[in-house]
Formats: sequence, structure tokens, C-alpha cells
Amino acid sequence: EADIYQTPRYLVIGTGKKITLECSQTMGHDKMYWYQQDPGMELHLIHYSYGVNSTEKGDLSSESTVSRIRTEHFPLTLESARPSHTSQYLCASTSDVGNTIYFGEGSWLTVV
Amino acid sequence: AQSVTQPDIHITVSEGASLELRCNYSYGATPYLFWYVQSPGQGLQLLLKYFSGDTLVQGIKGFEAEFKRSQSSFNLRKPSVHWSDAAEYFCAVGGNDYKLSFGAGTTVTVRA
Repeated sequence: EADIYQTPRYLVIGTGKKITLECSQTMGHDKMYWYQQDPGMELHLIHYSYGVNSTEKGDLSSESTVSRIRTEHFPLTLESARPSHTSQYLCASTSDVGNTIYFGEGSWLTVV
Repeated sequence: AQSVTQPDIHITVSEGASLELRCNYSYGATPYLFWYVQSPGQGLQLLLKYFSGDTLVQGIKGFEAEFKRSQSSFNLRKPSVHWSDAAEYFCAVGGNDYKLSFGAGTTVTVRA
């Protein structure tokens, strides 16, 4: 059972609002990732982190930002939400031991 | 660049019949390969993974996959499907940085 949690699971928000999607893991993993998945489509890596104070952009350009102040938290923020940000956002984490990547249950964001 | 192709968008199979999902990858070095399953509204669950060693990998829920380097393939199989196997299946490839590239997914429908 994966100990990685995302909140909120579902969010409907108006255009222009600021939102933060939370991701927490209790496994002590150094590496954490954010993927974006549009309905019926593949996942695309948008951010990743290899440890505290380390963040990088992924393969898919995103207007979101992330931070990694603590090992267990990797929040994703949209300063001004737009309808084009409507998507599912999945958080993942791993360590080099066991080589298993654990995914959270996802956050469904709808911007109206 | 790394990429994954899942040629079958949708497969319908009868309960009790065998299932094979195709996955072809492109990766410049020895790949890490994964199969994940996603039920509606849920996150990703790891079915199995390949890093090295035996090219036939056993996973959870009776699934197995075979890594064929010469064909750049990592096809997923199950001898006898259950109605609960209806879901979307994603193949993914990455390296030791665990930055995964996913295929577009195959939706499996199980008919009684």
C-alpha cells in the first residue's frame, strides 16, 4: 500500500483563482514527481524534485510551480487558474531502494 | 528521446479469455519498464516492472510481461481475465532518474 496522499481529490474553481494541490508521502522518498493527465490521454511529466530545495521542470511545459521545502511535501501551485488547466494531476514518489514508483490517487481540477 | 507506443486504444475480451496488451518503447540505454493499471477516478497501480535479469516478469493480479530487447517491446499478458480487470492500462519507460514516459493507454472492456 502506497503512503502517498493528494488533496484535494476534486476541485472546481473559477478562472483567475490561485490554487495549490498538495502531495505528501510518508515513505521518506527523495524523488518526487508531478504528472498531468488530460482525460483519455497519457501522462506527461511537468515537475520533479530529487530532494529538498531541488525542483526541475519536466518534459511538458506547465504554468504551474512547485516547491520542496520538506522531504515529505511537494505542493503544486497555479497562481491564476484558467480553463486550459482543467486536467488530472498525479503525484508520485520513489527512492532508489526497491525501484518502485508510487502514485497518489490524483487531483481532478476543473476551472470554469 | 524516450517514448512509448501502445498500438491498441481499446480491447474487448470475454471473461475467462486471455489478454495481451502491446507496448513498444524507444529508449537510448537499458530501459526501466513498467505497466500500470488505472480504474476510473483512481490513481495508478503498479502491476509489474522490469529492470534487469529474467525477461519474463511476474506481477500482481496474475499479470506477466515479457521484455524483448530485439523488438523493443514489453507486452503484458494475462491467461484468464476477470470482470474486475476492466480498466485502462499504461505502459511506461524510464531510466534510473525515474522520469517516466507513458503510452496513451489501452482501455480494456470485459464482456460476460
